[in-house]
Amino acid sequence: AQSVTQLDSQVPVFEEAPVELRCNYSSSVSVYLFWYVQYPNQGLQLLLKYLSGSTLVKGINGFEAEFNKSQTSFHLRKPSVHISDTAEYFCAVSDRDDYKLSFGAGTTVTVRA
Amino acid sequence: DARVTQTPRDKVTEMGQEVTMRCQPILGHNTVFWYRQTMMQGLELLAYFRNRAPLDDSGMPKDRFSAEMPDATLATLKIQPSEPRDSAVYFCASGHRAGGVETQYFGPGTRLLVL
Repeated sequence: AQSVTQLDSQVPVFEEAPVELRCNYSSSVSVYLFWYVQYPNQGLQLLLKYLSGSTLVKGINGFEAEFNKSQTSFHLRKPSVHISDTAEYFCAVSDRDDYKLSFGAGTTVTVRA
Repeated sequence: DARVTQTPRDKVTEMGQEVTMRCQPILGHNTVFWYRQTMMQGLELLAYFRNRAPLDDSGMPKDRFSAEMPDATLATLKIQPSEPRDSAVYFCASGHRAGGVETQYFGPGTRLLVL
């Protein structure tokens, strides 16, 4: 079984500043890793996913994440945020042989002008 | 741009009433998931189907919840009787396996309020 910990529940950030959202996972097997974004009153949208290969993964809207196997982390970053990036962000993990996703508790990002 | 659709988007009902939520998965996807999202519990997996067969519904209260896929284009989640503690946003997601990985795509959700 796997679990996901998102270390920050709320991240306030100023427009055009960088942001990093932290995610750590625990699993006894090899995993796939995902970041989803949920805008207010909407469903979850896939930002990016790590399957294998290069540890730096680029996603939509200028986001990227880095997989670190030794630290069991998959932190999400954006070098310069916009007001429209205000949303809740979820890290998720699945075992390579399973269909199910385990989600973190979410990190709320609030971008201020 | 294929999307998962869910109906209704909002539902207000009284305790004891039956609630039916519907989901149309993306055409060609062979897995369907039902999640519940609340402030207290976050995202919880209720049930999931592969090729219309239920694979796991251990996250669902069996006495009042039921999930079915009468055909490949429709998944339903029913609550009977509904209770105030069922108030939440219910998400359906459909998925497909490509390149060895299962990727899930979420619908917009059904916001349920049980009074």
